[in-house]
Amino acid sequence: DTAVSQTPKYLVTQMGNDKSIKCEQNLGHDTMYWYKQDSKKFLKIMFSYNNKELIINETVPNRFSPKSPDKAHLNLHINSLELGDSAVYFCASSQDRGYSYEQYFGPGTRLTVT
Amino acid sequence: AQTVTQSQPEMSVQEAETVTLSCTYDTSESDYYLFWYKQPPSRQMILVIRQEAYKQQNATENRFSVNFQKAAKSFSLKISDSQLGDAAMYFCAYRSAKQAGTALIFGKGTTLSVSS
Repeated sequence: DTAVSQTPKYLVTQMGNDKSIKCEQNLGHDTMYWYKQDSKKFLKIMFSYNNKELIINETVPNRFSPKSPDKAHLNLHINSLELGDSAVYFCASSQDRGYSYEQYFGPGTRLTVT
Repeated sequence: AQTVTQSQPEMSVQEAETVTLSCTYDTSESDYYLFWYKQPPSRQMILVIRQEAYKQQNATENRFSVNFQKAAKSFSLKISDSQLGDAAMYFCAYRSAKQAGTALIFGKGTTLSVSS
């Protein structure tokens, strides 16, 4: 059973399009995240949700909008895609009640904007 | 703001040898967690080991161990008996324990190559 899954794993699209990446976790965790890994492999937080409440909303363009329909899902919608959005996007989850705090990552979605 | 620094962009080791990857961090907080993640070419992020700041004892997971020096804000990873499968990019990460939903702050990573 996959703990944190993302779909799709690869996404190739043209500039100006709108796309979504879906994330689901079956670990029963209460917190989910989106990270972006750029071409130099640097990882940076974009958003985090705890019990469906937005906790972190880093300085990302407002073309990026997260949506958390329930605690097990966190989707990322991107409007008007630009070349600079090409990156790997990782979803992660953690259980922040108690003292676990490890974050478990999905397999990543490689987004290529042409 | 917290920062994490990995000063070795690349390291290499021979099979069966031991290698140490360095990580330093900067924080004014007293309660936090530190992690090492491994990212092989498959790009999956794999948690290798974690350390709670309030624990003095260094964490160990099989061939992986850390040297946690809280006062020096240093958190190095030692890999013993290196194997070909250890070849990957390794990221050091910091996480505040202040509140739920706090993000990991990553270093820039160290690429480890293992030769036979």
